[in-house]
Amino acid sequence: AQSVSQHNHHVILSEAASLELGCNYSYGGTVNLFWYVQYPGQHLQLLLKYFSGDPLVKGIKGFEAEFIKSKFSFNLRKPSVQWSDTAEYFCAVKRVAGTYKYIFGTGTRLKVLA
Amino acid sequence: DTEVTQTPKHLVMGMTNKKSLKCEQHMGHRAMYWYKQKAKKPPELMFVYSYEKLSINESVPSRFSPECPNSSLLNLHLHALQPEDSALYLCASSPNPGQTTYEQYFGPGTRLTVT
Repeated sequence: AQSVSQHNHHVILSEAASLELGCNYSYGGTVNLFWYVQYPGQHLQLLLKYFSGDPLVKGIKGFEAEFIKSKFSFNLRKPSVQWSDTAEYFCAVKRVAGTYKYIFGTGTRLKVLA
Repeated sequence: DTEVTQTPKHLVMGMTNKKSLKCEQHMGHRAMYWYKQKAKKPPELMFVYSYEKLSINESVPSRFSPECPNSSLLNLHLHALQPEDSALYLCASSPNPGQTTYEQYFGPGTRLTVT
């Protein structure tokens, strides 16, 4: 069965530290990849997405992610986090063929200390 | 307008009550989704509507009954729920279901408490 793993469940960083959150998926076919963020008390917002082309994608708020097909990974990065980045981050994967279904990872709770 | 709206924001209901959740989008999207999200967990897909027809039911108990009256509106009718059904219920929409690549747009959710 298709699955998405986010290895870091809780991350605590100081402001200005660099961030990398891991995401690995198990499906071998063509996929769409997403990172969503959920700020406290708010709804899921799309940070960035990968459909095809350049494997390094840039999103909103200074976030970027790199798709490494050989590693089935789509890690999220930010060079310098801010207190306002405190949120839950979800990786999601959708098979291109034959389904509408997103598979979400278990999420990473990020806390940035001011 | 890139917004998915959901009402009510909060709902408390007893196990014998009947209530409905409402979701609306005006982006012309033809696929709409219901998700359930428990605290500190990822969203879990419940239903998918494509062109106003139910295309996926993820083995959801019949006490949850979805309805898509038109392309902009999605309802979730609730009846005889259990306390473990308490969760955040998220609605999402996406463009033409025939496309192979698309993103989903999420609403803010309805926080449901079953007493």
